[in-house]
Amino acid sequence: DSGVTQTPKHLITATGQRVTLRCSPRSGDLSVYWYQQSLDQGLQFLIQYYNGEERAKGNILERFSAQQFPDLHSELNLSSLELGDSALYFCASSPRLAGNTGELFFGEGSRLTVL
Amino acid sequence: AQSVTQLGSHVSVSEGALVLLRCNYSSSVPPYLFWYVQYPNQGLQLLLKYTSAATLVKGINGFEAEFKKSETSFHLTKPSAHMSDAAEYFCAVSDPGTYKYIFGTGTRLKVLA
Repeated sequence: DSGVTQTPKHLITATGQRVTLRCSPRSGDLSVYWYQQSLDQGLQFLIQYYNGEERAKGNILERFSAQQFPDLHSELNLSSLELGDSALYFCASSPRLAGNTGELFFGEGSRLTVL
Repeated sequence: AQSVTQLGSHVSVSEGALVLLRCNYSSSVPPYLFWYVQYPNQGLQLLLKYTSAATLVKGINGFEAEFKKSETSFHLTKPSAHMSDAAEYFCAVSDPGTYKYIFGTGTRLKVLA
């Protein structure tokens, strides 16, 4: 158990819909990262927050947004869903900013299926 | 921008044989490099990391990796494969300038009995 909690574990929805994925980082971790894992694209970095502020943005679509709340949990919002958004979405946390020498602690992921 | 390239999306080895998973990095500055493992239906977990303290890094479960600047490589090895090593392995690089933590495309290791 990494200490990172993601909900829901599985989600099935239809095209055009909107979903919210939630992540609770390890106790004390200030950084939260979001990744999308699909068969054809591997593990794609989406976005990173540190203590409530966005610090790095990767290949995140405009239809997606995220935020980190004062209690440090984070939410990833996916809207106008398309079939290609079906993937496993991972949240990871670390005590400090990315680019440090530390490791990321991953949750078990939220599997999104868009029909 | 920093990146990593993993050669071979699938690698098969016999139980007891040497495991070699390849990773090359692209970086204009000394990188921080990592190997992670993902077992089925689980998140990733750290195997080992290179942070410039030593070029040969030992990790968990008997894995090690050697940082070779001249070859821009950070290959992962294990002398003797075990059935429990079957998983997907990811090389990663962190960029202190951009705060990004970038993963390679992964290599799925299959261990044959």
